Amino acid sequence: EPEVTQTPSHQVTQMGQEVILRCVPISNHLYFYWYRQILGQKVEFLVSFYNNEISEKSEIFDDQFSVERPDGSNFTLKIRSTKLEDSAMYFCASRELAGGRNNNEQFFGPGTRLTVL
Amino acid sequence: GQNIDQPTEMTATEGAIVQINCTYQTSGFNGLFWYQQHAGEAPTFLSYNVLDGLEEKGRFSSFLSRSKGYSYLLLKELQMKDSASYLCASLHGGSYIPTFGRGTSLIVHP
Repeated sequence: EPEVTQTPSHQVTQMGQEVILRCVPISNHLYFYWYRQILGQKVEFLVSFYNNEISEKSEIFDDQFSVERPDGSNFTLKIRSTKLEDSAMYFCASRELAGGRNNNEQFFGPGTRLTVL
Repeated sequence: GQNIDQPTEMTATEGAIVQINCTYQTSGFNGLFWYQQHAGEAPTFLSYNVLDGLEEKGRFSSFLSRSKGYSYLLLKELQMKDSASYLCASLHGGSYIPTFGRGTSLIVHP
């Protein structure tokens, strides 16, 4: 069964450093998402991406964050200058297309645990 | 943002039935998800309700009442592997972005 994949599974970085988290969405999916989950807290939406541009973003997704689909398969989240509070699990998700009851389902990747020291 | 309320933690016995409740804001409501999340893993889709009523899928069922802003997830014949966090998430307005609750941590004991 097709699945969303993410690399690395765990990233440790120093405060102020740039990190790039990588995701490979399911191949026929058109909508891509990044979420984060701080330990013990709820899943929070960061950004959605469709047709090579950001379609929605939350207040968390400030100028430190950017997303890119550099080729036909990868979807990346870049944090330019990491802060301690960026430590969290980052989940990528993808969705097939708009509309229809079952097509609202987002498939989540296994996540990247980011630790900022 | 949209408020989602669900209990923080529940415990149940293997083989039993448990109901996890969720309330959400009805304004602009479009649909409600339930996800299962094991510790350190990604959320996995369980159900999506748009219309009122109960939808059954194997051991898991999900119920929705749009007028009351209420949903529940019913888990039957509990197994130890059902110990996980269960996330309620709602869709509002024209957005396909679900707003997640904090999750209910279910502990199944022998």
